[in-house]
Amino acid sequence: DTGVSQDPRHKITKRGQNVTFRCDPISEHNRLYWYRQTLGQGPEFLTYFQNEAQLEKSRLLSDRFSAERPKGSFSTLEIQRTEQGDSAMYLCASGIGLNNEQFFGPGTRLTVL
Amino acid sequence: AQTVTQSQPEMSVQEAETVTLSCTYDTSESDYYLFWYKQPPSRQMILVIRQEAYKQQNATENRFSVNFQKAAKSFSLKISDSQLGDAAMYFCAYPPRSNDYKLSFGAGTTVTVRA
Repeated sequence: DTGVSQDPRHKITKRGQNVTFRCDPISEHNRLYWYRQTLGQGPEFLTYFQNEAQLEKSRLLSDRFSAERPKGSFSTLEIQRTEQGDSAMYLCASGIGLNNEQFFGPGTRLTVL
Repeated sequence: AQTVTQSQPEMSVQEAETVTLSCTYDTSESDYYLFWYKQPPSRQMILVIRQEAYKQQNATENRFSVNFQKAAKSFSLKISDSQLGDAAMYFCAYPPRSNDYKLSFGAGTTVTVRA
């Protein structure tokens, strides 16, 4: 079991650029989640997928954000026209079953200059 | 709005001693799960312990145990025989609605272990 992986681990970009992050969940997990975490705070929910279907999106997810999980396996989170306020840790988690337990990846730390 | 409150931003404990982290939450559901997650500095979040709300018995995982008070909507975490490796940020989390799979997290408590 390789756990949840995320790529890249760190991303520095200039304001206005687009960035894309990838998450590979635990292979048998049908649910995949994206959260955002700012320094000293708990993760905030962004969106989640069950298989390839995006079932819920937070109001935090502005129209500059888009997420996909095309084949129900890995997922990508794209941020267009990045702003300094987008600087945060972006966490991916996966899960299966009825108990809400989620397994987290190491996160992608985004810095927007 | 459903919320999770962790009222202690920081806690310090002497090695081998016990520390208790508090968490309160707000839900109208009767059946749900509650979680404590640990996030060490610059490392990924891992599950510490899980409690099922319909179970009256408090969950225990080695040195970690919870005090679950359903009526009071309180879910505290006790770390016994604290070790240096317990130093981390601890988050309480729960699904806001019964049909929710996402989690709502508290703001976290930073635990420092003194040698």
